[in-house]
Amino acid sequence: EDKVVQSPLSLVVHEGDTVTLNCSYEVTNFRSLLWYKQEKKAPTFLFMLTSSGIEKKSGRLSSILDKKELFSILNITATQTGDSAVYLCAVDNYGQNFVFGPGTRLSVLP
Amino acid sequence: DSGVTQTPKHLITATGQRVTLRCSPRSGDLSVYWYQQSLDQGLQFLIQYYNGEERAKGNILERFSAQQFPDLHSELNLSSLELGDSALYFCASSEREGLRETQYFGPGTRLLVL
Repeated sequence: EDKVVQSPLSLVVHEGDTVTLNCSYEVTNFRSLLWYKQEKKAPTFLFMLTSSGIEKKSGRLSSILDKKELFSILNITATQTGDSAVYLCAVDNYGQNFVFGPGTRLSVLP
Repeated sequence: DSGVTQTPKHLITATGQRVTLRCSPRSGDLSVYWYQQSLDQGLQFLIQYYNGEERAKGNILERFSAQQFPDLHSELNLSSLELGDSALYFCASSEREGLRETQYFGPGTRLLVL
């Protein structure tokens, strides 16, 4: 059965800290891994990763994929209170299914 | 505002009933996805349509069905509702079939089954 695991499930940090969120997966036919940020309502897209070792970067956020070890990390540097959200990892297995992890709830305190 | 609209925003109904959720994708987007998000199950992919045809199927129950119409709007039909169907149902759209990175989510329909 396809599975996506995220850790930690919950994280509390202070503004300015750097955080690393983890996502590991087991899927039958991997196509891509995606990261989303979900605040109050609908998820918003952050990154899509298809190749190992290539870092994707957007401002203070960056992500990388390791297809050999079947995991990805999402880094957030110099965290701000606006980064408080649930971060979702999802894996696309070539259109057969689209499996989400349980999410990591990040709380950034001022 | 993502450009994806969903109606209704909230829906309260009783067990055993049937409801229809509606989604209008962003202008020009041909692909529509449906998701269910509940407290105990997290976010789950239900089904995807592309230009009127079913493209991928996730954890969608047999009591649920969906379709995409020629004008590209989509409807998700939920029947014989159970308490456990209470959840937030999201629709998302993307321009092409496989480009999930350009997927835009609607605000969701919150369904409460009593």
